[in-house]
Amino acid sequence: SQTIHQWPATLVQPVGSPLSLECTVEGTSNPNLYWYRQAAGRGLQLLFYSVGIGQISSEVPQNLSASRPQDRQFILSSKKLLLSDSGFYLCAWSVGTGLKNEQFFGPGTRLTVL
Amino acid sequence: GENVEQHPSTLSVQEGDSAVIKCTYSDSASNYFPWYKQELGKGPQLIIDIRSNVGEKKDQRIAVTLNKTAKHFSLHITETQPEDSAVYFCAVLSGSARQLTFGSGTQLTVLP
Repeated sequence: SQTIHQWPATLVQPVGSPLSLECTVEGTSNPNLYWYRQAAGRGLQLLFYSVGIGQISSEVPQNLSASRPQDRQFILSSKKLLLSDSGFYLCAWSVGTGLKNEQFFGPGTRLTVL
Repeated sequence: GENVEQHPSTLSVQEGDSAVIKCTYSDSASNYFPWYKQELGKGPQLIIDIRSNVGEKKDQRIAVTLNKTAKHFSLHITETQPEDSAVYFCAVLSGSARQLTFGSGTQLTVLP
C-alpha cells in the first residue's frame, strides 16, 4: 500500500532563517507530487506541483521553492523565511491524469515563523 | 481557471440529523469531484469522490450527488455522529489537469 511521510511535524523558525521541508512517498512509482499551504482558517493553496524528477510548476509567486531530486521525494525550501510563511504545509501525491487523479495527503508540517 | 465555491462555511447539526454541504464550479469540462475530511491538526483525507459519468454515489452514511448541467455537487451525511465533526473540503479536477481546485471548506460540528 502507498504511504506518504512528511517531516518535521512541527517547526518553529526565526524570520530570515532557511527552511527545508521534506516529503516522501512509498509504494508507488512516478507519482504527481504537490505542496499546499493552509493558513489560519481552512483554505488550501496549491504552491507547487511536479509530474516528474526535476519538473516543478509554481502556482503562486513567493519566496519559497520546491525541488524533486528523486522520483518519490519532494522538498519545499526557502532561503529566508518571512512571518507570512507561517502555516500548515501539506504534501500530496496522485498518479495519472484526468479520471484517475485521486489525490492523497500527508500528515502535514506546522510551521511557525517568529 | 476553475472557480469553486463551497457553502456553508460553518454548519452545526444535532447528532442523528443529516448534513448537506454544497459546491459549485465554473468549468463545464471538469470531470472529477472528490470530498475531503480534515480533522484538527491532520492532513485532509479523501472520503468519497464522483466522476462526471455518474450522478450519485453512496458509501454507508455518506453520499455525493452531481448535477453537471447546473455545475454543482453536494455531500450528504446521514445519521451524523460526533466523530463526523471536522472541516470538509470539496474539490474539482478539470480536463487533463493534474491539480485540484479546492473549495474554501466547511466546519461541521455535530452536537451530542
